[in-house]
Amino acid sequence: AQSVAQPEDQVNVAEGNPLTVKCTYSVSGNPYLFWYVQYPNRGLQFLLKYITGDNLVKGSYGFEAEFNKSQTSFHLKKPSALVSDSALYFCAVSRHGSGNTGKLIFGQGTTLQVKP
Amino acid sequence: DGGITQSPKYLFRKEGQNVTLSCEQNLNHDAMYWYRQDPGQGLRLIYYSQIVNDFQKGDIAEGYSVSREKKESFPLTVTSAQKNPTAFYLCASSIDIRPGGDNQPQHFGDGTRLSIL
Repeated sequence: AQSVAQPEDQVNVAEGNPLTVKCTYSVSGNPYLFWYVQYPNRGLQFLLKYITGDNLVKGSYGFEAEFNKSQTSFHLKKPSALVSDSALYFCAVSRHGSGNTGKLIFGQGTTLQVKP
Repeated sequence: DGGITQSPKYLFRKEGQNVTLSCEQNLNHDAMYWYRQDPGQGLRLIYYSQIVNDFQKGDIAEGYSVSREKKESFPLTVTSAQKNPTAFYLCASSIDIRPGGDNQPQHFGDGTRLSIL
């Protein structure tokens, strides 16, 4: 069965410092991996995805994520955090290849709090 | 601008009542989805539709029903059989779902918050 784990309910970081939001996954076969951000009372916004190729993926708003197959991880990173990055972040996975149904499995979310 | 419109933003349900949440998209996407969001649980898939006049149950379909009569529209009905309907409901769409194909990021509406009176 596919699953996603975001081990931290909340991450606190000072503005200007680097940030990491962790994600590990479990899927049979090769994964598609996604990060989304949600601001209060809004829908999810797509940040970035990994399909294949370079393990370091760059996305919107200066975010990037590193795919690590051996550790089954896809951590979200940003070199210098902004107060406006404070939001709820979701990691998601689906399986590609035969049997791909397009369905995403989401982690439970991590709240990022960036303090001035 | 293209996007997904969900209405209403807030909805209240009386006991024994069915309520319908609207979702409309003008992105010309084939696939549409309904998710339920509860605090600390992430998003759970209720129903999805790959094409007009076809839809599939997701992980928590009990107590919900959908229709897909038009490509642009995918309304969700929360029936009286759903005993715990209080949640934030999100509609999403993607270009398509093709077995073996590249997944497209799902675009989301701004949600409907449903509460019980």
